[in-house]
Amino acid sequence: DTGVSQDPRHKITKRGQNVTFRCDPISEHNRLYWYRQTLGQGPEFLTYFQNEAQLEKSRLLSDRFSAERPKGSFSTLEIQRTEQGDSAMYLCASSFVPGLTNNEQFFGPGTRLTVL
Amino acid sequence: QKEVEQNSGPLSVPEGAIASLNCTYSDRVSQSFFWYRQYSGKSPELIMSIYSNGDKEDGRFTAQLNKASQYVSLLIRDSQPSDSATYLCAVPEGFQKLVFGTGTRLLVSP
Repeated sequence: DTGVSQDPRHKITKRGQNVTFRCDPISEHNRLYWYRQTLGQGPEFLTYFQNEAQLEKSRLLSDRFSAERPKGSFSTLEIQRTEQGDSAMYLCASSFVPGLTNNEQFFGPGTRLTVL
Repeated sequence: QKEVEQNSGPLSVPEGAIASLNCTYSDRVSQSFFWYRQYSGKSPELIMSIYSNGDKEDGRFTAQLNKASQYVSLLIRDSQPSDSATYLCAVPEGFQKLVFGTGTRLLVSP
């Protein structure tokens, strides 16, 4: 059973560096979501794709953040010129829509980013 | 922006007791509701989905939905120490992204 996978699991970087995260969704899922979670908070939506189309981006997503899903399979999330406030767990989730399960989303293990 | 409210806890219950976790939401048109369990340092795991008013049971878990009161709850029967985690309530906005509450931390003592 291959669930959602994310790479790397941990990333430590210095302020001002660029970082890129990868997410591989469940194979038959057409939707892929990125969320960010900080300590004591629930996950916050960043952006989502249906197949290769990016359909929505949160106002939280500054122009330093960019996401792609070029072939409708895996996705990458890049953060340019990282800031200490970017330190968080970056979560990827996938779902299949339309379906019988009303968009149940399944999360990967997350990438924990620490910006020094 | 849809709002989802949960008591942050911690909710402490003894082993074997029933734990009751509550969630209220601001949007009357929401049709589906999800409960996720999140262990410390791990990612959220989907444990229950509910779409209709009333109760839905799955093993030791029961989700209860009251759309008129905009209220959804999760009951955990025969609580075990392994149930100690943060429980997140999530409500879809549109048919797309999930809006999460801040989660309720549950502590089950042996």
